[in-house]
Amino acid sequence: QKEVEQNSGPLSVPEGAIASLNCTYSDRVSQSFFWYRQYSGKSPELIMSIYSNGDKEDGRFTAQLNKASQYVSLLIRDSQPSDSATYLCAATRRDGDYKLSFGAGTTVTVRA
Amino acid sequence: ETGVTQSPTHLIKTRGQQVTLRCSSQSGHNTVSWYQQALGQGPQFIFQYYREEENGRGNFPPRFSGLQFPNYSSELNVNALELDDSALYLCASSLDQYNEQFFGPGTRLTVL
Repeated sequence: QKEVEQNSGPLSVPEGAIASLNCTYSDRVSQSFFWYRQYSGKSPELIMSIYSNGDKEDGRFTAQLNKASQYVSLLIRDSQPSDSATYLCAATRRDGDYKLSFGAGTTVTVRA
Repeated sequence: ETGVTQSPTHLIKTRGQQVTLRCSSQSGHNTVSWYQQALGQGPQFIFQYYREEENGRGNFPPRFSGLQFPNYSSELNVNALELDDSALYLCASSLDQYNEQFFGPGTRLTVL
């Protein structure tokens, strides 16, 4: 079983719609969770961090964490063509094992 | 821009050769992590350096080695290159081992 799994995608949404991305993790000791955006041919860019259960909003992005269900999600509201990218979910333990464990990513295309 | 730099941008090597990749961390960051990203996959953790000491290692063979210098810049060395080593190599810096990781632009390595 992979440590972090993401819905496979690709995900295509019309401009202005909500894009919903999901991620599950297998290691119950995971403490911190991150969403990175990666444009084609570029490196990952950190867009959200979340550490406690509940919702965290930053502009058009909302991250949700449910540690009991081992589930993390990212909502992109009012999707724009510039949001077209691969979104990577990552988790880390912070207990002496500091690596980021990544999912394979979900590719989002926003149709104008 | 994260302030993390990597060199070179692209590199072509032949099987069996050795390669050194370099990373300069963001100012004030004392931790550098290295990841390998194959096409269509999420980054895979290679190792992390915290204050010049290796602070964790992923499932990579010993021919992957590294070091961190007193100014917290870092090198990744790969010996006896194999075709499967062709990937994007990412360096990430963080304030310390616990904090968010910010990626550099990456080095694209092609092994022929």
